[in-house]
Amino acid sequence: QSVLTQPPSASGTPGQRVTISCSGSSSNIGSNTVNWYQQLPGTAPKLLIYSNNQRPSGVPDRFSGSKSGTSASLAISGLQSEDEADYYCAAWDDSLNGRWVFGGGTKLTVL
Amino acid sequence: QLQLQESGPGLVKPSETLSLTCTVSGGSISSSSYYWGWIRQPPGKGLEWIGSIYYSGSTYYNPSLKSRVTISVDTSKNQFSLKLSSVTAADTAVYYCARNPWFDPWGQGTLVTVSS
Repeated sequence: QSVLTQPPSASGTPGQRVTISCSGSSSNIGSNTVNWYQQLPGTAPKLLIYSNNQRPSGVPDRFSGSKSGTSASLAISGLQSEDEADYYCAAWDDSLNGRWVFGGGTKLTVL
Repeated sequence: QLQLQESGPGLVKPSETLSLTCTVSGGSISSSSYYWGWIRQPPGKGLEWIGSIYYSGSTYYNPSLKSRVTISVDTSKNQFSLKLSSVTAADTAVYYCARNPWFDPWGQGTLVTVSS
């Protein structure tokens, strides 16, 4: 059972906009920033969004992040076949003397 | 370009200690801005943070693993290491190293199987 809650799956057709949610609590998302990672099949995760809505260099602006209260969202616009991957959210959690926590991951399928 | 590479045995017996090393290249592990972390992913499952270390040796661990984890750093070799004791089959996973605080970049990962 992950501390951050994500839907196990999401899907969309090429060109569509999809969103993936990440729900937490006051001790994590409610008081700290959220990062998002993309994991293509058979590869290591890659940082997609940091500090709620910042994109590292090289990440297309089709990817965007937002946060409100104890929830965060990742939006992908202009969906492409190469976006098919697992997506994870993460945040620092202030409980238990502090720890990094991840969501359980969302598998995005491009139909 | 900063790169991280995990290394260590791919097979560990139950009750023994898992030992892995992460070698950092293209940058100094002694940078004052970053911690260096370990994360694992059991086959077919999600990500779990294990712990992180600063170049000075300051560490912080996942409370759920704290009693079994030791992370150390060797600045002369630009490396940091993970030891996980008393392993069981539940510790079978791909182990990644990454730079904190955003876990970027990641190493390619190394699969460690716990089996007799």
